[in-house]
Amino acid sequence: DTGVSQNPRHKITKRGQNVTFRCDPISEHNRLYWYRQTLGQGPEFLTYFQNEAQLEKSRLLSDRFSAERPKGSFSTLEIQRTEQGDSAMYLCASSPLENVNTGELFFGEGSRLTVL
Amino acid sequence: AQSVTQLGSHVSVSEGALVLLRCNYSSSVPPYLFWYVQYPNQGLQLLLKYTSAATLVKGINGFEAEFKKSETSFHLTKPSAHMSDAAEYFCAVSDSRKIIFGKGTRLHILP
Repeated sequence: DTGVSQNPRHKITKRGQNVTFRCDPISEHNRLYWYRQTLGQGPEFLTYFQNEAQLEKSRLLSDRFSAERPKGSFSTLEIQRTEQGDSAMYLCASSPLENVNTGELFFGEGSRLTVL
Repeated sequence: AQSVTQLGSHVSVSEGALVLLRCNYSSSVPPYLFWYVQYPNQGLQLLLKYTSAATLVKGINGFEAEFKKSETSFHLTKPSAHMSDAAEYFCAVSDSRKIIFGKGTRLHILP
């Protein structure tokens, strides 16, 4: 399977714990995006990388959130001191650089976080 | 700033009936507009896209959308609904760096 892969698919944690999600994009895709989706809402942009450079971060991304893409391949999204409001589906998507305006983001199936 | 607004969080149509999902956009420049679909327990996938080449855009599974600048609309249609079309549909716009999604419309197909 050469699609976008996200792990873990489900994570249940207690409030205050740290969690980390991993995304493996389609190989050779320059851009990697993180979105958050809550019930009844569309995907909300969090951040994106072009290769290893993090080029934009949303105001939704508080200082408890950090994302990395150290070698321009896989990416991690860490949430520190989780809160119940962090419960959501975290989506990763990738695209070749030239496809940004054509809109073709390739999404993974998401990582669902439940904070108790 | 670019944004999209989807009218109706839930739409129900009978199998075989016309599907119409509404989307209005706001953009200071000629927009790149898209419809994505999310089937249950699956990732989002691109249904169709408008990139200024033609105002009527055809996508997968018999869907199409028409870009109307005068109405700032990009409504999604399908002449005859099928049970397999039950899913959540998202209208989206590009700001050249990222894709901005609407809140989605869940389509229910009635037998």
